[in-house]
Amino acid sequence: RKEVEQDPGPFNVPEGATVAFNCTYSNSASQSFFWYRQDCRKEPKLLMSVYSSGNEDGRFTAQLNRASQYISLLIRDSKLSDSATYLCVGQSGTYKYIFGTGTRLKVLA
Amino acid sequence: NAGVMQNPRHLVRRRGQEARLRCSPMKGHSHVYWYRQLPEEGLKFMVYLQKENIIDESGMPKERFSAEFPKEGPSILRIQQVVRGDSAAYFCASSPSSGTITGELFFGEGSRLTVL
Repeated sequence: RKEVEQDPGPFNVPEGATVAFNCTYSNSASQSFFWYRQDCRKEPKLLMSVYSSGNEDGRFTAQLNRASQYISLLIRDSKLSDSATYLCVGQSGTYKYIFGTGTRLKVLA
Repeated sequence: NAGVMQNPRHLVRRRGQEARLRCSPMKGHSHVYWYRQLPEEGLKFMVYLQKENIIDESGMPKERFSAEFPKEGPSILRIQQVVRGDSAAYFCASSPSSGTITGELFFGEGSRLTVL
């Protein structure tokens, strides 16, 4: 089993839709979690950290379920500019960040 | 305030040649990571370095690949005798310290290696 696993998509959604991505992780990548965003042929950038209690940043909500070993990202009121690949990241130890393969999102006009 | 600088952005090599990729971390950052991304795949950890020290190179192929982060100058990822399978985007990231609370790695724009 991969340490961090994501559905590659693509998820094609209309503008204004709500879309959710899940990511599962193994014990080796279970210290802390993050969502990164990567635009086509660009570098990844931190979108948000994921806290056990769940956290929200504007239209984005991240949640962690340790019992089932998955994290989720919910995007409300999707914008065209949200089209990107969303990378789930698990931290293993003090410095090792393990990236999932990413979930592609296309928001359609 | 410059971000993470990588060069070259694009590099073309013939099989058997050497590729050298350079990375200057953000000012004040002393921790450097190298990741490789193949088309349609995620980022694969290669190596983690601090100034003058390789901390973890468990993701680096045992042969032909090496990395350094000298006291002065950029970090360098070196690939000897390149093969077509080495064609990928190589991303460098830096952080101010290990276990950074925010988990934020600052990535460079990547170096895209094409092996003919």
